[in-house]
This record gives sequence, structure tokens and C-alpha cells, in this order.
Amino acid sequence: EDKVVQSPLSLVVHEGDTVTLNCSYEVTNFRSLLWYKQEKKAPTFLFMLTSSGIEKKSGRLSSILDKKELFSILNITATQTGDSAVYLCAVSTGNQFYFGTGTSLTVIP
Amino acid sequence: DGGITQSPKYLFRKEGQNVTLSCEQNLNHDAMYWYRQDPGQGLRLIYYSQIVNDFQKGDIAEGYSVSREKKESFPLTVTSAQKNPTAFYLCASSIVGQGLSTQYFGPGTRLTVL
Repeated sequence: EDKVVQSPLSLVVHEGDTVTLNCSYEVTNFRSLLWYKQEKKAPTFLFMLTSSGIEKKSGRLSSILDKKELFSILNITATQTGDSAVYLCAVSTGNQFYFGTGTSLTVIP
Repeated sequence: DGGITQSPKYLFRKEGQNVTLSCEQNLNHDAMYWYRQDPGQGLRLIYYSQIVNDFQKGDIAEGYSVSREKKESFPLTVTSAQKNPTAFYLCASSIVGQGLSTQYFGPGTRLTVL
């Protein structure tokens, strides 16, 4: 059975901290891995990863994929209260997208 | 503007009534999806469609039905057979291809069954 597992389920940090969110997967016909941010509404796209070892970066957020060990991490440096959200990981097979349960991040001022 | 629209944003229904959620996209995407999200949980796939007049069941299709008569539209009906329909429903679309496309999401419909 295809599955995507995210950890931790929730995280509370102080502003300025660095966080690492994990996503592991067991999906046949892997094509890409995607990260989304969800703030009490529809998810918004962050990154799509297809190749191992190549870091994608956008401001304070970065992500990398390891296709051998079947996982990805999402890093957020110098966290801000606006980073508080649920971060979703999804794996695409071309036909479907399999989502993890998400990591709920709360950043305290 | 290109995008996905869902209506209504909030919907209240009495138990035992069928209800249809609308989803329209003008992105010219072939694939469309319906997800359900419950508090503190990720997205669970209800149905998806990769081409007009064809659709596939997802993980939690029981109690739901869909149609895909037009490329732009993928309405979801929540039937009275759905035991716990109160949830946040998200519609999404993507390009059909080699899995190198992201999904674009609509704003969602929050359904409450009284």
C-alpha cells in the first residue's frame, strides 16, 4: 500500500528557531515529491522535488530529496510567526497524489 | 484570472439530504481531484478524473458520487449514505503527464451536516 508519513505531527518553536520537517514515503511509480503550506484554507505550493540531492530553496525555506532512502526534509530557518501553518508532503505517481497527514507548526513570538 | 473555484464556501445541510459541491477550473487541466480533510488530518482522496466522462475512486469514495461531463467541471455529490459528511472539501486540478506537475487547489467548501 502506498503511503506518505510525516513527522513530527506537531511542533511548537520560538521565533528565530530553525525547524526541520520530515517526510518519508513508500510509493510505487514515484514521479515527484511536493511540499505545501496550509493556513486554514487551501494548500499553497512550496516545492516540487524530482532528483536526489538537489536542494530547492526559497528565502528561508529549503528542501531536499533522498530517493535512495525515500525521504525528504523541509527546513525553515529564522522562523517567524507567519510560518505557523500545517505543512503537507505529497508524492505524485503521475496518476495520483498521496498526501501525508501534515506537520502542524506553531511559531511563538 | 486562471484558477479553480469552488462554491459555496460554507454549506449547511440536514442529515439525510444529498448535497452537491461545485468545482470549476479554467486552467485547461485534464485531471481533477476531490479531497476530504478532517481536523488535524491530511488530505484523503475521494475521487479523481483524468479525462472527460471517466473517473476513478479514491481511498474514501463510499457515500460520494461525481460526474465529469465537461473538462472544466467536476461536481461532487455527498449522498445520505455518507456516514460522517461534515468536513472541509478541497477540489484540485493538474496536468496529466509524467507526474511532474503540481496540483492547484480551490479555496475549499466547508460542509456541516446538522
